[in-house]
Amino acid sequence: QKEVEQDPGPLSVPEGAIVSLNCTYSNSAFQYFMWYRQYSRKGPELLMYTYSSGNKEDGRFTAQVDKSSKYISLFIRDSQPSDSATYLCAMSFNYGQNFVFGPGTRLSVLP
Amino acid sequence: SQTIHQWPATLVQPVGSPLSLECTVEGTSNPNLYWYRQAAGRGLQLLFYSVGIGQISSEVPQNLSASRPQDRQFILSSKKLLLSDSGFYLCAWAGLAETQYFGPGTRLLVL
Repeated sequence: QKEVEQDPGPLSVPEGAIVSLNCTYSNSAFQYFMWYRQYSRKGPELLMYTYSSGNKEDGRFTAQVDKSSKYISLFIRDSQPSDSATYLCAMSFNYGQNFVFGPGTRLSVLP
Repeated sequence: SQTIHQWPATLVQPVGSPLSLECTVEGTSNPNLYWYRQAAGRGLQLLFYSVGIGQISSEVPQNLSASRPQDRQFILSSKKLLLSDSGFYLCAWAGLAETQYFGPGTRLLVL
C-alpha cells in the first residue's frame, strides 16, 4: 500500500461545478496537510495548509481533514477554467523532512 | 517576502555529460532545502534535503549529488548524466511554517 494515494484523474468538469479532490493516507502520525496546485511546466504552488483535523476555507477553496478516516479533501466551488491544473496533496509529521506527496490529480474545467 | 529561484529553466544535455542545477532562496534565513524530481505524469520524488550549510541527506541512491555551499544556495550535480535522469527538477524550501514552497523548476532532457 502506498503511503499517500490520490485519484490520478484526469477529471473534467464544466465551468461552475463543485470539484472534490481526495487523498487517503496510511500513516496516522501525519499532522500537517497541504494542497498544491501545479500548472503545466510550472512548480507547485501552495493552496491550502491545515494542521490536524477540521476544515479550512479560503475563498472558493475548502480543505477538509478527517484524521480518524485518514482522508483529506479539497473542494473547489464555482470552478473556473483557470483552475485547470494538477492538484497535489502533501502531508508531514513535523518540522523538516518527511514531506510525502500524492501523485496528483489532473483537473480540467471546461468553459 | 520570500522568493526562490532556479536556473536554468530548460536544459538539453548529452548522455555522459556533467550537470549543475542551482537554486537560491531570498528573504529567509536557515531554510530547509529540498531537491525533487518529477517524471512526466508522476508524483514528486524527493532526492536530497538539507537542514544547514554542508548538511545533505540523500533519499535515493543514484548518480546525482547535492551541495549547500551557502545558507540559501542549493546545488544539484552529476558527473555523468544517464537517459533516466531526464525529468522536471524542483527545488523547495521550508521554514518554521512547516510547509514547502517550490521554485519554478528546471526541465532536463538527456539525449
